[in-house]
Amino acid sequence: EAGVAQSPRYKIIEKRQSVAFWCNPISGHATLYWYQQILGQGPKLLIQFQNNGVVDDSQLPKDRFSAERLKGVDSTLKIQPAKLEDSAVYLCASSLTAGTYRYTFGSGTRLTVV
Amino acid sequence: KQEVTQIPAALSVPEGENLVLNCSFTDSAIYNLQWFRQDPGKGLTSLLLIQSSQREQTSGRLNASLDKSSGRSTLYIAASQPGDSATYLCAGDAGGTSYGKLTFGQGTILTVHP
Repeated sequence: EAGVAQSPRYKIIEKRQSVAFWCNPISGHATLYWYQQILGQGPKLLIQFQNNGVVDDSQLPKDRFSAERLKGVDSTLKIQPAKLEDSAVYLCASSLTAGTYRYTFGSGTRLTVV
Repeated sequence: KQEVTQIPAALSVPEGENLVLNCSFTDSAIYNLQWFRQDPGKGLTSLLLIQSSQREQTSGRLNASLDKSSGRSTLYIAASQPGDSATYLCAGDAGGTSYGKLTFGQGTILTVHP
């Protein structure tokens, strides 16, 4: 079974620029999550999708962050404009459904904002 | 707001030692609890899941327990090996509409030296 694919692996941008991350979950997984992990901290949930609908985006800074999951498969997370404090690893995870508790995480995208 | 604290923040032990990692939640209403392992530059790998009706789970040299009355969990690693070196994260959810919405601790960085 292929894992959760994320790209790019690394990204360095200047503040106020925009950036996008891509995630391809495991085939058949209905639930997709984006987490932000700042250095030295645990991951924080940004948004949860069930198929192509948003279940929870209460911790997503909606003034600058947006995410979509067209057709209920791949997902894109965008930041525009980026701030220095957005420097973090962005992790994508998927599960069969929200109630299965078996998550598969991707390797993440490390974003550095300078 | 649920907050999770992991103690110790870092731990260095010689190979062969038994060790205990601790995790505590400010809100003891934890429905499911998981322990994850994170290797540098990698995503998270689920180690043990304690579901709502359970109090303990074991896998090989790992044993995790959850005391719901106090909101505390421990991860016991027996006969530690250098390959156990990684960051260990605990995470919980509150069930119900919070299915899949994990709140993570900041992690314990474990180093096992030969």
